[in-house]
Amino acid sequence: NAGVTQTPKFQVLKTGQSMTLQCAQDMNHNSMYWYRQDPGMGLRLIYYSASEGTTDKGEVPNGYNVSRLNKREFSLRLESAAPSQTSVYFCASTYPGQGNQPQHFGDGTRLSIL
Amino acid sequence: RKEVEQDPGPFNVPEGATVAFNCTYSNSASQSFFWYRQDCRKEPKLLMSVYSSGNEDGRFTAQLNRASQYISLLIRDSKLSDSATYLCVVSRGGSARQLTFGSGTQLTVLP
Repeated sequence: NAGVTQTPKFQVLKTGQSMTLQCAQDMNHNSMYWYRQDPGMGLRLIYYSASEGTTDKGEVPNGYNVSRLNKREFSLRLESAAPSQTSVYFCASTYPGQGNQPQHFGDGTRLSIL
Repeated sequence: RKEVEQDPGPFNVPEGATVAFNCTYSNSASQSFFWYRQDCRKEPKLLMSVYSSGNEDGRFTAQLNRASQYISLLIRDSKLSDSATYLCVVSRGGSARQLTFGSGTQLTVLP
């Protein structure tokens, strides 16, 4: 009963370093999402993938890239990390037809950029 | 003005109390409404959808007031396990891009 699995759970980077956050779901969901959550703010959508082979920008895409590798996996890449990208990142997935609101979240990646 | 606004709290209530949270939204074209629950340092989880006629799920009651553009969540007979942050979520349509999360209301239920 894994659901949505994110790796890593914690990461500390130096400014300018790159890294990829991994997300995989085993529920055969079509749609997947990447959010960031900052103190005092709601979750903000970075990118999403409505179905395998498609990706779209969300509210805050700058500084990020994504890859929908297959139906299960949706990765988020920071090419040149900046302190403003310090945040908690959540991956989520859903079936279409559920109002496109994410039903299942991973347990998050806590990322600090020094 | 934020698109979705919630009183951040914290709300500290004794066990057994009734507590209510409101959430206001600015876009009158909003179509779907939800409450999520988020425990400390954990992922959000869907608590319940909010329907136009209002709906209940056990001790939880959600209501929608389209004219005043707010939704509410009422928790009766609060339990210690209800302590969490409650997120209001509003959807303007069928695209994930049109989904907006509130910043949450923190509830602590005291023994």
